Amino acid sequence: DIQMTQSPSSLSASVGDRVTMTCRASQAIARYLCWYQQMPGKAPKLLIYGASSLQSGVPSRFSGSGSGTEFTLTISSLQPEDFATYYCQQAIDSPRLTFGGGTKVEIK
Amino acid sequence: QVQLHQSGPGLVKPSQTLSLTCAISGDSVSSNSVAWNWIRQSPSRGLEWLARTYFRSKWYDDYAVSLRSRITISPDTSMNQFSLQLKSMTPEDTAVYYCARGTDSRLDYWGQGTLVTVSS
Repeated sequence: DIQMTQSPSSLSASVGDRVTMTCRASQAIARYLCWYQQMPGKAPKLLIYGASSLQSGVPSRFSGSGSGTEFTLTISSLQPEDFATYYCQQAIDSPRLTFGGGTKVEIK
Repeated sequence: QVQLHQSGPGLVKPSQTLSLTCAISGDSVSSNSVAWNWIRQSPSRGLEWLARTYFRSKWYDDYAVSLRSRITISPDTSMNQFSLQLKSMTPEDTAVYYCARGTDSRLDYWGQGTLVTVSS
């Protein structure tokens, strides 16, 4: 299976901050990478697919970049509703989808 | 708007079989452009893909290798839903179980989740 590693595992930030987190794949996955946001007690919500395509309805402050083995999710101006855990998922080895361990964004 | 609604028990005894159902509204289980998935999440294993079923002129299914001997996913076209059965449950199977729609390997709609605890 392709292993996905996210860093950092947690970060503290303030409303209005620019936040960046990283996801690394154990082998090249081209741009077959998705990002999800998960609030406590809720199901994950798709934010980004194809490494950089914004899912319908997702605010434009979210953006994704990268290809191959290294990917980034950026929140340009952190909002109160963005405090959550973010997961990456590789989509090249379908159906054996695998997820990263998550980055928890906490209030500073 | 696609909605997925899960049903099933929250407590299962060791060695018993877990049965969960995911009812679909706003789409069809027989759609030939999507797949229907089960995923689980636990503190120890994180998010783990379990199985999928999809229709492309006939029904197909795929399973996580580690669970292949214990797991079955089944579509129900009459009720527009799909189900998961996981046999021989152990405490290590304690997790939140989710159903989700897959479109080109992105999981774009999710059920609400079911916390399943394996305990006697």
